[in-house]
Amino acid sequence: AQSVTQPDIHITVSEGASLELRCNYSYGATPYLFWYVQSPGQGLQLLLKYFSGDTLVQGIKGFEAEFKRSQSSFNLRKPSVHWSDAAEYFCAVGRDSGYALNFGKGTSLLVTP
Amino acid sequence: GAGVSQSPSNKVTEKGKDVELRCDPISGHTALYWYRQSLGQGLEFLIYFQGNSAPDKSGLPSDRFSAERTGGSVSTLTIQRTQQEDSAVYLCASSSGSRGGYTFGSGTRLTVV
Repeated sequence: AQSVTQPDIHITVSEGASLELRCNYSYGATPYLFWYVQSPGQGLQLLLKYFSGDTLVQGIKGFEAEFKRSQSSFNLRKPSVHWSDAAEYFCAVGRDSGYALNFGKGTSLLVTP
Repeated sequence: GAGVSQSPSNKVTEKGKDVELRCDPISGHTALYWYRQSLGQGLEFLIYFQGNSAPDKSGLPSDRFSAERTGGSVSTLTIQRTQQEDSAVYLCASSSGSRGGYTFGSGTRLTVV
């Protein structure tokens, strides 16, 4: 069965610092991988997705993620964090775009001045 | 519509009452999903509709939960005899079945008192 682990429940970074949010998945075949962001009181917004091809994926708001099959990871990165990036981030894995996703429990990002 | 619309945005109900939550997906999206998000938890898959196929109900937590999708569009999630543990945010998402990812609504916050 597919599963997702986000090891960090909370992360605090200073504004302007770099960010890396970790995501590990468990799935036998090539997974479909997603990162979503949820601001307080809002629904989830898709940041980026990986299906195949180039393992470095660019998303919206300056985010990128790298698929590493050998490490079963799909970590999210941003070179310089803005205060507006404070939110909950969810990694998800699916078998293909027509099936339900399995979500990690999320990482809460706090950005300090 | 332009996005996934959910109503009501907030619902407070007494324990033991039935509630109905509505989801209006993006026009043309064939797949529709319901998820539940409890405080401090990730997203829990509830049910998935794809076109005219039988829904995948594997995530429904009990027989008090049911959902239908009329005409391949609007969906209603019904919770009978609500319990306090049903308090959560119920999120709906839709997709076109392509590799475009899922679009989520803003959710319905259900509080059972």
